[in-house]
Amino acid sequence: GEDVEQSLFLSVREGDSSVINCTYTDSSSTYLYWYKQEPGAGLQLLTYIFSNMDMKQDQRLTVLLNKKDKHLSLRIADTQTGDSAIYFCAADSNSGYALNFGKGTSLLVTP
Amino acid sequence: EAGVAQSPRYKIIEKRQSVAFWCNPISGHATLYWYQQILGQGPKLLIQFQNNGVVDDSQLPKDRFSAERLKGVDSTLKIQPAKLEDSAVYLCASRPTPGQGSYEQYFGPGTRLTVT
Repeated sequence: GEDVEQSLFLSVREGDSSVINCTYTDSSSTYLYWYKQEPGAGLQLLTYIFSNMDMKQDQRLTVLLNKKDKHLSLRIADTQTGDSAIYFCAADSNSGYALNFGKGTSLLVTP
Repeated sequence: EAGVAQSPRYKIIEKRQSVAFWCNPISGHATLYWYQQILGQGPKLLIQFQNNGVVDDSQLPKDRFSAERLKGVDSTLKIQPAKLEDSAVYLCASRPTPGQGSYEQYFGPGTRLTVT
């Protein structure tokens, strides 16, 4: 499948903002997604953005999309210890909207 | 609204044995996916169903993996015989039919398979 790349680790202090970055290669992707996975748990859909938008805000979450550069970011404002988890970026494929995932970014929030 | 259900949650088998996983998608969701998530990696698509038909099974190792969704609702994924490299979490996901206004793909809790 097409490639989705993410940085593997991010550590922030509680109360700071976190920014997780992602790049993808499939220019035909229609929707791009952010999922959260806590240890031993399934994937929780956080938010998604349509490819013709450049920004979406949802409470503490802000998604920025640069379609020209195929770059997606997730900003978490006022990061809390409960935000510690693995965050996956995913891009849908032309075929049936199946998702291509990155390897995930492990976010550690320290007090 | 109930989420995607999967069972069992955990399974330990020896190599060369067979195993089956079950998934019940969200009610009314026509599209169902099976993904394999190996430790330290993102999920990778194995197979996609639209109602009871296969849309994409290009990544399914068909010599040992099979899946079905006979009545367009529940689905089973089988591995026979299992290999050590099949140790992974098997995730089922569902979404409404594209064009019905929702592009949200929801995942079940997964089945963690350990092959010894």
